[in-house]
Amino acid sequence: KNQVEQSPQSLIILEGKNCTLQCNYTVSPFSNLRWYKQDTGRGPVSLTIMTFSENTKSNGRYTATLDADTKQSSLHITASQLSDSASYICVVSAGGTSYGKLTFGQGTILTVHP
Amino acid sequence: GAVVSQHPSWVICKSGTSVKIECRSLDFQATTMFWYRQFPKQSLMLMATSNEGSKATYEQGVEKDKFLINHASLTLSTLTVTSAHPEDSSFYICSAPIAGGPGPSYNEQFFGPGTRLTVL
Repeated sequence: KNQVEQSPQSLIILEGKNCTLQCNYTVSPFSNLRWYKQDTGRGPVSLTIMTFSENTKSNGRYTATLDADTKQSSLHITASQLSDSASYICVVSAGGTSYGKLTFGQGTILTVHP
Repeated sequence: GAVVSQHPSWVICKSGTSVKIECRSLDFQATTMFWYRQFPKQSLMLMATSNEGSKATYEQGVEKDKFLINHASLTLSTLTVTSAHPEDSSFYICSAPIAGGPGPSYNEQFFGPGTRLTVL
């Protein structure tokens, strides 16, 4: 069964600090992995998308890494801001006959305090 | 990036009534759109795949007669919750993919802002 698991479930940090969110997946065959940011009451917004050949990708203060061998990904947020408070969702897209089908992680709720 | 809109952004209705939610791709065409449901503090759950010009594909456990999907054009998909009940109260989100990037598997998905449905 295709699964995406994220940790921690929630995280509280102070403004200006860095943090790293984790994602483990068992989706097969693998097509690509995405990280989304979802503000409360809003739809998810894409941060990064990586195929198996991409080890790292940055989008401003967000840097995602991917280890396709261990099926792990991380999202590193640098110099956090209050506006970073949101749910961060790891999503894996399947290939093969399940092409394009997305498997969602449960999300990590990040709260940034002043 | 591409824009996907949803209308309405929120709706409150009485039990037993039907509610229609629209999903539009504003600056691109989408032959496929996806409908998700999200309960509080849970992740998105795929309900169905909307296909322009053909029938929608529903995920296991989703009642096709209750959640009617119509993909009438390349920019519009609608989800109608028929005979809504309080347990249908949820956050409904649509998404549309765009092919591109380094290969055909790199299709990006753009999500709408969501529709909050409350059934009294």
